[in-house]
Amino acid sequence: NAGVTQTPKFRILKIGQSMTLQCAQDMNHNYMYWYRQDPGMGLKLIYYSVGAGITDKGEVPNGYNVSRSTTEDFPLRLELAAPSQTSVYFCASTGDRVYEQYFGPGTRLTVT
Amino acid sequence: KQEVTQIPAALSVPEGENLVLNCSFTDSAIYNLQWFRQDPGKGLTSLLLIQSSQREQTSGRLNASLDKSSGRSTLYIAASQPGDSATYLCAVSRGSGGGADGLTFGKGTHLIIQP
Repeated sequence: NAGVTQTPKFRILKIGQSMTLQCAQDMNHNYMYWYRQDPGMGLKLIYYSVGAGITDKGEVPNGYNVSRSTTEDFPLRLELAAPSQTSVYFCASTGDRVYEQYFGPGTRLTVT
Repeated sequence: KQEVTQIPAALSVPEGENLVLNCSFTDSAIYNLQWFRQDPGKGLTSLLLIQSSQREQTSGRLNASLDKSSGRSTLYIAASQPGDSATYLCAVSRGSGGGADGLTFGKGTHLIIQP
């Protein structure tokens, strides 16, 4: 199993541009999550999904959108990128009643 | 709103010492607590998960305890090695969704083990 994969690894965006961060898992997990991590801070939950077609807001959803059309994929869309969205983005998944979360390697995004 | 605090923020000890990392949380109504390790520029690796009904979990030289009623967890690392140098993150389940609603994280403890 590849586990949780994320693409791209790095990206630089100009203010106002849009992009989609990709996340995929091959563990047949129902639950998937997007977090962001700012320097010296813990991770904050952006959005999560409890199954295909079902998404919900986390702690910091403004400026982001998600969709979940398949069990495997959970893309995160940034519209009109702002410098405040410069961060490292992590995708995670879990699949059983214990809810142990498994994380991808992250995407480092810079908005200038 | 759940808040997670980790003390100390940074720790530097000589190799071979036993050490304790602390985590506290403000709302005791959690489903589980998870300890992670994060190496510089890398993702998170799950170390231990303690369900709310459990008191502790062990994996090799690591032991994590949970006192839900007082809102505290500790991560004990025995016989520390330079390879243990990393940032250690504590996280608790959010809300009342039975653990599926995601995690609330502390800011981490940056650990350096001196050879």
